[in-house]
Amino acid sequence: DGGITQSPKYLFRKEGQNVTLSCEQNLNHDAMYWYRQDPGQGLRLIYYSQIVNDFQKGDIAEGYSVSREKKESFPLTVTSAQKNPTAFYLCASSNSLTSGNTIYFGEGSWLTVV
Amino acid sequence: ILNVEQSPQSLHVQEGDSTNFTCSFPSSNFYALHWYRWETAKSPEALFVMTLNGDEKKKGRISATLNTKEGYSYLYIKGSQPEDSATYLCAFKGSNFGNEKLTFGTGTRLTIIP
Repeated sequence: DGGITQSPKYLFRKEGQNVTLSCEQNLNHDAMYWYRQDPGQGLRLIYYSQIVNDFQKGDIAEGYSVSREKKESFPLTVTSAQKNPTAFYLCASSNSLTSGNTIYFGEGSWLTVV
Repeated sequence: ILNVEQSPQSLHVQEGDSTNFTCSFPSSNFYALHWYRWETAKSPEALFVMTLNGDEKKKGRISATLNTKEGYSYLYIKGSQPEDSATYLCAFKGSNFGNEKLTFGTGTRLTIIP
């Protein structure tokens, strides 16, 4: 079945450690996105990529890094520089939004930093 | 950072009643307004993509209207059912060249009381 797979679903890490969240899609979408959700807040865009080997910062990119070496994959690294990393992270993908396409989401990853 | 607001933040509705809620967004540089439904423990799923002022979309008992001149969209649910319980998100896409991202509102959490 086509879709977006995020892993792991739950992750616990000690403060000061970098962690990488995986996101893979088999929908043949050009664009991929990482969003973060905190209680009482909407989905906030961390990074997005419109094409392989290219990505742009979203609204809250500080303390995060990404890569887009393959069309199917868009991993997110939460670095030790991210001050409040504990959150719910959603990966998404789409074809061109300018063509009226919608975004498809993964099931999310819960990251807890202790 | 664009301001996309949704109201109310949460809503409890008796089964069988109809309800509606609002999404406010910038009225300048408008390209599209998306609505998504996010059920607990699932991924958000697209309901509508609206692009034209005065647009009305319908999917079963759910419909939406769009006013781009004043910057708002309404989502209506007729004859609420327990399966309508979810968080409803709207997302704004601007018309800036090369802008392939959505800015989400904080969502309206709808609970249907049987």
